[in-house]
Amino acid sequence: QQQVKQSPQSLIVQKGGISIINCAYENTAFDYFPWYQQFPGKGPALLIAIRPDVSEKKEGRFTISFNKSAKQFSLHIMDSQPGDSATYFCAASKAGNTGKLIFGQGTTLQVKP
Amino acid sequence: DGGITQSPKYLFRKEGQNVTLSCEQNLNHDAMYWYRQDPGQGLRLIYYSQIVNDFQKGDIAEGYSVSREKKESFPLTVTSAQKNPTAFYLCASSGWGVKKTGELFFGEGSRLTVL
Repeated sequence: QQQVKQSPQSLIVQKGGISIINCAYENTAFDYFPWYQQFPGKGPALLIAIRPDVSEKKEGRFTISFNKSAKQFSLHIMDSQPGDSATYFCAASKAGNTGKLIFGQGTTLQVKP
Repeated sequence: DGGITQSPKYLFRKEGQNVTLSCEQNLNHDAMYWYRQDPGQGLRLIYYSQIVNDFQKGDIAEGYSVSREKKESFPLTVTSAQKNPTAFYLCASSGWGVKKTGELFFGEGSRLTVL
């Protein structure tokens, strides 16, 4: 019930392509779903986040799609760039404590020039 | 600049020794967190503190201890009771960020290796 499952574990995309990372959760009490980006040797940083009252949120080239009935959400990176090469984590938390996150296993993205 | 400072960045420890990882923040955040990162397992919550002099266990607290005597500081001690302490440790605080949502701000991590 507490898990967040993320796939794929690794992803290779050509420059200009679309990167898609998927996550699924079990606990219907989750109501905050962020995505974090981590570069090697650094701490993660918030990329984009969504709450279940909307089905999509877009910030620049990054879009979260959210399917409440399927308990799934995904990150789409449009026009992927080599600078997007990093590890991406989805996460979820319950109302009232957005810092107490349950993280997915992570996806290592490599964007080839 | 405001942020989270973790030290040391790299630490080597012999089996049976306790080690303390430092975490300091100047973001004026009330809540602070310790996460452990292992390859292929994401980040897992060790301990968190929402106010000074109070803290709660996370999902993997066994073998760890914390204190929160000051708002700015949340040190983590990895004790000899922790069976597999080699990992990347991340400290974070939570507050209202530029994305207009509560978010975690992470430090750059401390990599602990047990020899």
